Amino acid sequence: TQLLEQSPQFLSIQEGENLTVYCNSSSVFSSLQWYRQEPGEGPVLLVTVVTGGEVKKLKRLTFQFGDARKDSSLHITAAQPGDTGLYLCAGDQGSNYQLIWGAGTKLIIKP
Amino acid sequence: DAGVTQSPTHLIKTRGQQVTLRCSPKSGHDTVSWYQQALGQGPQFIFQYYEEEERQRGNFPDRFSGHQFPNYSSELNVNALWLGDSALYLCASSLTGRSYEQYFGPGTRLTVT
Repeated sequence: TQLLEQSPQFLSIQEGENLTVYCNSSSVFSSLQWYRQEPGEGPVLLVTVVTGGEVKKLKRLTFQFGDARKDSSLHITAAQPGDTGLYLCAGDQGSNYQLIWGAGTKLIIKP
Repeated sequence: DAGVTQSPTHLIKTRGQQVTLRCSPKSGHDTVSWYQQALGQGPQFIFQYYEEEERQRGNFPDRFSGHQFPNYSSELNVNALWLGDSALYLCASSLTGRSYEQYFGPGTRLTVT
């Protein structure tokens, strides 16, 4: 059972378009992280959100944590080819040390 | 400030053999977690080490074992390799108390033939 469901699994769009990636669960998380991973490399931490309703911005990337702390979204404005990669969300339930991971969204931005 | 380093980068082994993978955490970090990642999938948690002890373990058989040294570096050992063990093995370090913020190394690509 996948506790964190990411959608879509795959997204291919043109440079300059906007997109949103979702990370959903029926479980509550103490915090949620977003990572980006490029082929042959380890995931790179982009952001941590900890408060319900929290919004964080990282240049053209906007991250939101749901009010009930069960879901999160990543919105990219004016996508660029450099945004290409596997986007992973991971949640911390506070009661143990391991993160719960989504299966990832593979994003391709075509020039 | 050195990030997380892993060695080797690539490894080819034969079914039944044993393998040891190594990880040095980011400077200042005291906790190391190991993950297995199949192609196109999210990482699967193997175990986490803190203060030289295994603090938590995921759903992996006893063939997977580990160690953490006094300098916080860590090893992952896999015995009796199966073809299905072929994957990218990732090491992540963190600071206890903030173990939800993990910093990953580049990984070791293990191929079992």
